[in-house]
Amino acid sequence: GENVEQHPSTLSVQEGDSAVIKCTYSDSASNYFPWYKQELGKRPQLIIDIRSNVGEKKDQRIAVTLNKTAKHFSLHITETQPEDSAVYFCAARASSGSARQLTFGSGTQLTVLP
Amino acid sequence: NAGVTQTPKFQVLKTGQSMTLQCAQDMNHEYMSWYRQDPGMGLRLIHYSVGAGITDQGEVPNGYNVSRSTTEDFPLRLLSAAPSQTSVYFCASSLRTSAGANVLTFGAGSRLTVL
Repeated sequence: GENVEQHPSTLSVQEGDSAVIKCTYSDSASNYFPWYKQELGKRPQLIIDIRSNVGEKKDQRIAVTLNKTAKHFSLHITETQPEDSAVYFCAARASSGSARQLTFGSGTQLTVLP
Repeated sequence: NAGVTQTPKFQVLKTGQSMTLQCAQDMNHEYMSWYRQDPGMGLRLIHYSVGAGITDQGEVPNGYNVSRSTTEDFPLRLLSAAPSQTSVYFCASSLRTSAGANVLTFGAGSRLTVL
């Protein structure tokens, strides 16, 4: 099955700086890569996603890049703010199986320091 | 719309006890799933369902049962609780497209402690 590795596990940045979280996946046929944000004590919520026919997608201060050849994708947050502090999960959708379920990375705890 | 509703929010069990975590959604989503979240291990899929009457195993199904008698409900049963099942459990649902599970809507989570 699909295997997703996520790095780093923790990341601290100064407010206003950029943050980058990286994920690699194993199934070269995976075609959908979402990112979820989980604030402390809350449920995960989708913040951005990208499909395999696109190399980059932006939404205000966040962007995701995908390198299909290298099988990795990254989340970029610019001009970080304290409210960006949360756990971020990447995921990949497997290409096999009837439901094409998502496989998640282990998460990155992002702390934005004031 | 309430979205995805999970009950209970907190539960403490003794080893060997059984219980059911309830999950209901009112968005007419075909796909429903249960994940467990443990520190440093992300979200791991326990069981999932692509529609009423259809269920399948995920990555960590041992010790759990599910059923899907209606589109709205997807309960998760712990048959004989073990300390290793101490975790936070999330139910999630989505529309099912031809390409598979799409954007997941998560419930608020259920924190289970097994003593």
